[in-house]
Amino acid sequence: GAVVSQHPSWVICKSGTSVKIECRSLDFQATTMFWYRQFPKQSLMLMATSNEGSKATYEQGVEKDKFLINHASLTLSTLTVTSAHPEDSSFYICSARERSAETQYFGPGTRLLVL
Amino acid sequence: QQQVKQSPQSLIVQKGGISIINCAYENTAFDYFPWYQQFPGKGPALLIAIRPDVSEKKEGRFTISFNKSAKQFSLHIMDSQPGDSATYFCAASFSGNTPLVFGKGTRLSVIA
Repeated sequence: GAVVSQHPSWVICKSGTSVKIECRSLDFQATTMFWYRQFPKQSLMLMATSNEGSKATYEQGVEKDKFLINHASLTLSTLTVTSAHPEDSSFYICSARERSAETQYFGPGTRLLVL
Repeated sequence: QQQVKQSPQSLIVQKGGISIINCAYENTAFDYFPWYQQFPGKGPALLIAIRPDVSEKKEGRFTISFNKSAKQFSLHIMDSQPGDSATYFCAASFSGNTPLVFGKGTRLSVIA
């Protein structure tokens, strides 16, 4: 099946710093990528949808200036958490989908801990 | 308003038994219904998916049953094994470039 990678798998940073998370589709062209946030023992919460070459569409309540999403190529999307604070600590997961396809393939996730 | 309701929240099944997880949806425009399996600290992995023109789909030990009139679908895991212990999420989406709507998940524990 299709493979989606994320880097880094985990990151610890100080409050106030920015963190960039990469999401790559390794063997297919991802025209659409999604970013999710997941708290312990909870479901996935969609943060934003990004289409290659377009601005991301953010879900209600998600600060677009805090969570910067870039989808510059068909295989790479990045999520930058700017001026991270402890409440941003979470498990961030991306998923990717080919054009006109239904299936979303998920990355392995990135654990972010902000001290 | 939760568009996809999943039950039970947690489930304990004996090894070799059948695990059944149910989901109900509200929007009749949904036309794609996948199930994902997630192990702790990992991303969700697609298990099996179904479209509303089919009432049942089987892949190995995993079966989706779909009831369009009742707006319900369920996942059956036959011969459940300890390695099946994970969190299972049902989801639904519309055709086109729309995101998945997830249920809240079911934590399955298969005990020997």
